[in-house]
Amino acid sequence: GAGVSQSPSNKVTEKGKDVELRCDPISGHTALYWYRQSLGQGLEFLIYFQGNSAPDKSGLPSDRFSAERTGGSVSTLTIQRTQQEDSAVYLCASSSKNRGRFFGVETQYFGPGTRLLVL
Amino acid sequence: DQQVKQNSPSLSVQEGRISILNCDYTNSMFDYFLWYKKYPAEGPTFLISISSIKDKNEDGRFTVFLNKSAKHLSLHIVPSQPGDSAVYFCAGDGGGNTGKLIFGQGTTLQVKP
Repeated sequence: GAGVSQSPSNKVTEKGKDVELRCDPISGHTALYWYRQSLGQGLEFLIYFQGNSAPDKSGLPSDRFSAERTGGSVSTLTIQRTQQEDSAVYLCASSSKNRGRFFGVETQYFGPGTRLLVL
Repeated sequence: DQQVKQNSPSLSVQEGRISILNCDYTNSMFDYFLWYKKYPAEGPTFLISISSIKDKNEDGRFTVFLNKSAKHLSLHIVPSQPGDSAVYFCAGDGGGNTGKLIFGQGTTLQVKP
């Protein structure tokens, strides 16, 4: 009964470098979300994957950010040419239900996050 | 454009007393509201939710109240316990087909023994 796992737990990088953050969702969960939490802020939605559907990228802050989900399971969030304002905790969540108004609210299960520091 | 706001960054209560955490929202299209609890170095965990067509939902020591006319919801914890000390996030579920959550900034609750 493993939960959502993320790696690395901490990442320190230099401004301008690329970083990759990994998320392993709960087995069988079809929906996967990326959020980030900047210092003193709430969680900010970044991107959503559901099965084989096109992802909802509406929350990505710039074209330096991209994400993919291979085989409907593991997801990687890539930040190119990192900036200091990218420093945040990046959280991944997964859920089991295909969203629909008649199914009620679905519970998203969060991983522990990756704490990214850009120097 | 902050659709969900938690205006109190922190709250301190005595063990056994009631904790009331508040949340305001601007988006009338939210289908559900959720509360998540977060301990340091851990991801948020789901606590309780309420449908936008309800005004109250109760689960053990936790009760969420929704006042749609005021666009306000609150989480009541009775009685508060030291283990409840954490950051509490209010979130709105935007509906549609994504289920993405719009979170408030969080309120840090400290329950003193």
